[in-house]
Amino acid sequence: GAGVSQSPSNKVTEKGKDVELRCDPISGHTALYWYRQSLGQGLEFLIYFQGNSAPDKSGLPSDRFSAERTGGSVSTLTIQRTQQEDSAVYLCASSNTGIAKNIQYFGAGTRLSVL
Amino acid sequence: QKEVEQNSGPLSVPEGAIASLNCTYSDRVSQSFFWYRQYSGKSPELIMSIYSNGDKEDGRFTAQLNKASQYVSLLIRDSQPSDSATYLCAVRVARIYNQGGKLIFGQGTELSVKP
Repeated sequence: GAGVSQSPSNKVTEKGKDVELRCDPISGHTALYWYRQSLGQGLEFLIYFQGNSAPDKSGLPSDRFSAERTGGSVSTLTIQRTQQEDSAVYLCASSNTGIAKNIQYFGAGTRLSVL
Repeated sequence: QKEVEQNSGPLSVPEGAIASLNCTYSDRVSQSFFWYRQYSGKSPELIMSIYSNGDKEDGRFTAQLNKASQYVSLLIRDSQPSDSATYLCAVRVARIYNQGGKLIFGQGTELSVKP
């Protein structure tokens, strides 16, 4: 497809379980971003990948959160030992850097519910 | 002080009126500014981007940027019920021009356009 693709669209898990969320960016986009949107917290930055550079992990809330991007394309966000406060919509975005305007396009998101 | 602040909502305007949405930011290094629209249960979609002081018009939408005062606004002319959504102001934080960078979002302003 032409847009950012995320899977699954919904995920329900039990507290303490690990989850993996997947993001497939727009073809050719070199930068990939993860954000989280929860009630009362707005949309907050988690992590950002650009090309072969070290990722910007400054937004990850704890060491239970990690992400990787393989082959400069697909990314996986992993949350270990999930907690109820991890319940949120996780949004992925991609952009084409090297162009000053750097527009970020968002996927439909993964709604995570931790019971 | 939050990095990006938006005027609190909800904002209610009658159909056909002008809706004015405001946003202030704290980081003077910020280079790029964006307005996203988010319908309930959907992901953010880009409405406007602006990079230079002044006005930028696109159809019924006008973005205004004043870097000296550190504010950016969005005007929606001839508001329609379909404009009812949450509007997110976002600021791109990038220390190197022409490189990608994370977006810092405001809390959003909910707009309701009454028929």
